[in-house]
Amino acid sequence: SQTIHQWPATLVQPVGSPLSLECTVEGTSNPNLYWYRQAAGRGLQLLFYSVGIGQISSEVPQNLSASRPQDRQFILSSKKLLLSDSGFYLCASQLGQRTYEQYFGPGTRLTVT
Amino acid sequence: DQQVKQNSPSLSVQEGRISILNCDYTNSMFDYFLWYKKYPAEGPTFLISISSIKDKNEDGRFTVFLNKSAKHLSLHIVPSQPGDSAVYFCAAADGGSNYKLTFGKGTLLTVNP
Repeated sequence: SQTIHQWPATLVQPVGSPLSLECTVEGTSNPNLYWYRQAAGRGLQLLFYSVGIGQISSEVPQNLSASRPQDRQFILSSKKLLLSDSGFYLCASQLGQRTYEQYFGPGTRLTVT
Repeated sequence: DQQVKQNSPSLSVQEGRISILNCDYTNSMFDYFLWYKKYPAEGPTFLISISSIKDKNEDGRFTVFLNKSAKHLSLHIVPSQPGDSAVYFCAAADGGSNYKLTFGKGTLLTVNP
Protein backbone atom coordinates (compact mmCIF):
# COMPACT_ATOMS: atom_id res chain seq x y z
CA SER A 1 0.00 0.00 0.00
CA GLN A 2 1.09 3.54 -0.61
CA THR A 3 1.99 6.14 2.01
CA ILE A 4 1.83 9.88 1.43
CA HIS A 5 4.07 12.18 3.46
CA GLN A 6 3.57 15.91 3.78
CA TRP A 7 5.62 18.53 5.58
CA PRO A 8 5.54 20.69 7.41
CA ALA A 9 2.43 19.77 9.39
CA THR A 10 1.76 23.37 10.36
CA LEU A 11 3.13 26.65 9.09
CA VAL A 12 2.59 30.29 10.02
CA GLN A 13 3.89 32.74 7.44
CA PRO A 14 3.58 36.53 7.01
CA VAL A 15 1.90 38.04 3.99
CA GLY A 16 4.35 38.44 1.13
CA SER A 17 6.66 35.63 2.22
CA PRO A 18 7.46 32.63 0.00
CA LEU A 19 6.02 29.15 0.44
CA SER A 20 7.19 25.63 -0.24
CA LEU A 21 5.16 22.59 0.75
CA GLU A 22 6.44 19.14 -0.06
CA CYS A 23 4.68 15.87 -0.68
CA THR A 24 6.36 12.51 -1.22
CA VAL A 25 4.79 9.16 -1.97
CA GLU A 26 6.01 5.70 -1.03
CA GLY A 27 4.85 2.31 -2.22
CA THR A 28 3.91 3.10 -5.78
CA SER A 29 5.40 4.36 -9.01
CA ASN A 30 4.15 6.79 -11.63
CA PRO A 31 1.15 7.92 -9.59
CA ASN A 32 -1.15 10.78 -10.51
CA LEU A 33 -0.58 13.44 -7.86
CA TYR A 34 -2.93 16.16 -6.68
CA TRP A 35 -2.84 19.29 -4.50
CA TYR A 36 -6.08 20.32 -2.79
CA ARG A 37 -6.95 23.14 -0.43
CA GLN A 38 -9.67 23.03 2.18
CA ALA A 39 -10.58 26.53 3.34
CA ALA A 40 -12.43 26.94 6.64
CA GLY A 41 -15.93 25.47 6.41
CA ARG A 42 -15.59 24.55 2.77
CA GLY A 43 -15.01 21.48 0.67
CA LEU A 44 -11.92 20.29 -1.12
CA GLN A 45 -10.77 22.54 -3.94
CA LEU A 46 -8.47 20.97 -6.53
CA LEU A 47 -5.49 23.24 -7.17
CA PHE A 48 -3.09 21.23 -9.34
CA TYR A 49 -2.66 17.75 -10.67
CA SER A 50 0.19 15.92 -12.33
CA VAL A 51 0.24 12.75 -14.42
CA GLY A 52 4.04 12.59 -14.65
CA ILE A 53 7.38 14.28 -14.01
CA GLY A 54 7.28 17.89 -15.14
CA GLN A 55 3.61 17.65 -16.16
CA ILE A 56 1.45 20.06 -14.17
CA SER A 57 -2.13 21.14 -14.78
CA SER A 58 -3.65 24.06 -12.93
CA GLU A 59 -7.31 24.07 -12.01
CA VAL A 60 -7.77 27.60 -10.68
CA PRO A 61 -5.96 30.88 -11.32
CA GLN A 62 -3.99 31.93 -8.27
CA ASN A 63 -0.58 32.95 -7.05
CA LEU A 64 0.41 29.36 -6.29
CA SER A 65 2.46 27.05 -8.49
CA ALA A 66 3.34 23.37 -8.43
CA SER A 67 6.24 21.29 -9.61
CA ARG A 68 7.03 17.60 -9.89
CA PRO A 69 10.80 17.20 -10.03
CA GLN A 70 10.71 13.46 -9.34
CA ASP A 71 8.18 10.69 -9.93
CA ARG A 72 7.02 10.59 -6.31
CA GLN A 73 7.64 14.18 -5.25
CA PHE A 74 5.14 17.01 -5.61
CA ILE A 75 5.86 20.56 -4.45
CA LEU A 76 3.48 23.47 -3.93
CA SER A 77 5.03 26.93 -3.99
CA SER A 78 4.32 30.61 -3.86
CA LYS A 79 6.60 33.60 -4.32
CA LYS A 80 4.42 35.91 -2.22
CA LEU A 81 1.69 34.65 0.07
CA LEU A 82 -1.69 36.36 0.41
CA LEU A 83 -4.03 36.24 3.41
CA SER A 84 -6.46 34.26 1.26
CA ASP A 85 -3.87 31.47 0.89
CA SER A 86 -4.58 30.33 4.45
CA GLY A 87 -6.07 26.87 4.62
CA PHE A 88 -5.46 23.16 4.95
CA TYR A 89 -3.40 21.82 2.06
CA LEU A 90 -3.70 18.20 1.09
CA CYS A 91 -1.65 16.08 -1.27
CA ALA A 92 -3.25 13.03 -2.82
CA SER A 93 -1.97 10.13 -4.86
CA GLN A 94 -3.82 8.02 -7.35
CA LEU A 95 -2.56 4.66 -8.59
CA GLY A 96 -2.01 5.29 -12.24
CA GLN A 97 -4.80 6.07 -14.63
CA ARG A 98 -6.90 2.94 -14.20
CA THR A 99 -8.29 3.64 -10.77
CA TYR A 100 -10.34 6.47 -9.36
CA GLU A 101 -9.48 6.17 -5.67
CA GLN A 102 -7.19 8.86 -4.33
CA TYR A 103 -5.26 8.50 -1.09
CA PHE A 104 -4.47 11.55 0.96
CA GLY A 105 -1.56 12.70 3.05
CA PRO A 106 -1.97 14.12 6.57
CA GLY A 107 -2.13 17.71 5.32
CA THR A 108 -0.42 21.02 6.11
CA ARG A 109 -2.20 23.75 8.05
CA LEU A 110 -1.05 27.09 6.62
CA THR A 111 -1.88 30.34 8.38
CA VAL A 112 -0.90 33.56 6.64
CA THR A 113 -0.74 36.51 9.02
CA ASP B 1 -21.28 25.70 -10.72
CA GLN B 2 -21.32 23.05 -8.02
CA GLN B 3 -21.52 19.67 -9.74
CA VAL B 4 -21.57 17.61 -6.55
CA LYS B 5 -23.87 18.78 -3.78
CA GLN B 6 -24.22 17.68 -0.21
CA ASN B 7 -27.16 19.74 0.92
CA SER B 8 -27.03 18.79 4.59
CA PRO B 9 -24.08 20.45 6.30
CA SER B 10 -24.63 18.37 9.43
CA LEU B 11 -26.44 15.29 10.72
CA SER B 12 -26.86 13.98 14.25
CA VAL B 13 -27.86 10.37 15.08
CA GLN B 14 -27.93 8.12 18.09
CA GLU B 15 -25.42 5.32 18.52
CA GLY B 16 -26.74 2.07 17.09
CA ARG B 17 -29.15 3.75 14.67
CA ILE B 18 -28.74 4.20 10.93
CA SER B 19 -26.93 7.22 9.47
CA ILE B 20 -27.93 8.25 5.96
CA LEU B 21 -25.77 10.77 4.15
CA ASN B 22 -26.99 12.13 0.84
CA CYS B 23 -25.31 13.48 -2.26
CA ASP B 24 -26.65 14.85 -5.56
CA TYR B 25 -24.80 15.48 -8.78
CA THR B 26 -25.55 17.34 -11.97
CA ASN B 27 -22.95 16.08 -14.45
CA SER B 28 -24.32 13.11 -16.38
CA MET B 29 -20.77 12.19 -17.45
CA PHE B 30 -19.84 11.11 -13.94
CA ASP B 31 -19.38 7.35 -13.93
CA TYR B 32 -17.76 6.60 -10.59
CA PHE B 33 -18.60 7.78 -7.10
CA LEU B 34 -16.69 7.67 -3.83
CA TRP B 35 -17.19 8.48 -0.17
CA TYR B 36 -14.44 9.77 2.07
CA LYS B 37 -14.34 10.29 5.81
CA LYS B 38 -12.32 13.10 7.37
CA TYR B 39 -11.37 13.81 10.96
CA PRO B 40 -10.24 17.34 11.93
CA ALA B 41 -6.65 18.17 11.00
CA GLU B 42 -6.22 14.90 9.09
CA GLY B 43 -6.38 13.93 5.45
CA PRO B 44 -9.56 12.26 4.15
CA THR B 45 -9.64 8.48 4.13
CA PHE B 46 -11.33 6.48 1.40
CA LEU B 47 -14.42 4.58 2.58
CA ILE B 48 -16.33 3.03 -0.25
CA SER B 49 -17.05 3.55 -3.93
CA ILE B 50 -19.52 2.56 -6.61
CA SER B 51 -19.42 2.37 -10.37
CA SER B 52 -22.31 3.71 -12.43
CA ILE B 53 -23.01 0.18 -13.69
CA LYS B 54 -24.13 -0.80 -10.18
CA ASP B 55 -26.83 0.52 -7.89
CA LYS B 56 -25.49 -0.79 -4.60
CA ASN B 57 -22.15 -1.60 -3.00
CA GLU B 58 -21.70 -2.88 0.52
CA ASP B 59 -18.65 -3.08 2.77
CA GLY B 60 -19.29 -4.07 6.35
CA ARG B 61 -21.36 -1.39 8.06
CA PHE B 62 -21.18 0.89 5.01
CA THR B 63 -23.47 0.68 2.00
CA VAL B 64 -23.61 3.09 -0.91
CA PHE B 65 -26.71 3.34 -3.10
CA LEU B 66 -26.75 4.96 -6.52
CA ASN B 67 -29.87 6.20 -8.32
CA LYS B 68 -28.67 7.30 -11.74
CA SER B 69 -32.03 8.55 -12.98
CA ALA B 70 -32.26 10.88 -10.00
CA LYS B 71 -28.52 11.66 -10.03
CA HIS B 72 -28.47 10.83 -6.36
CA LEU B 73 -26.36 8.66 -4.12
CA SER B 74 -26.44 7.93 -0.43
CA LEU B 75 -24.18 6.37 2.17
CA HIS B 76 -25.79 4.24 4.87
CA ILE B 77 -23.93 3.43 8.07
CA VAL B 78 -25.49 0.70 10.18
CA PRO B 79 -25.13 0.58 13.12
CA SER B 80 -23.65 4.01 13.74
CA GLN B 81 -20.85 4.27 16.27
CA PRO B 82 -19.38 7.31 18.07
CA GLY B 83 -16.12 6.76 16.16
CA ASP B 84 -18.03 7.42 12.94
CA SER B 85 -18.33 11.08 13.94
CA ALA B 86 -16.49 12.96 11.19
CA VAL B 87 -17.03 14.96 8.02
CA TYR B 88 -18.10 12.80 5.08
CA PHE B 89 -17.31 13.89 1.54
CA CYS B 90 -18.99 12.61 -1.55
CA ALA B 91 -16.87 12.65 -4.72
CA ALA B 92 -17.53 11.90 -8.37
CA ALA B 93 -15.34 11.17 -11.36
CA ASP B 94 -15.66 11.31 -15.10
CA GLY B 95 -13.39 8.68 -16.62
CA GLY B 96 -12.79 10.93 -19.60
CA SER B 97 -11.21 13.70 -17.50
CA ASN B 98 -7.95 12.16 -16.33
CA TYR B 99 -9.71 10.53 -13.38
CA LYS B 100 -9.96 13.79 -11.43
CA LEU B 101 -12.42 13.82 -8.54
CA THR B 102 -15.03 16.49 -7.90
CA PHE B 103 -15.89 16.77 -4.22
CA GLY B 104 -18.97 17.96 -2.41
CA LYS B 105 -18.65 20.34 0.53
CA GLY B 106 -19.11 17.61 3.10
CA THR B 107 -21.56 16.64 5.83
CA LEU B 108 -20.57 16.64 9.48
CA LEU B 109 -21.91 13.47 11.12
CA THR B 110 -22.20 13.37 14.89
CA VAL B 111 -23.04 10.05 16.52
CA ASN B 112 -24.21 10.52 20.08
CA PRO B 113 -23.56 7.78 22.67
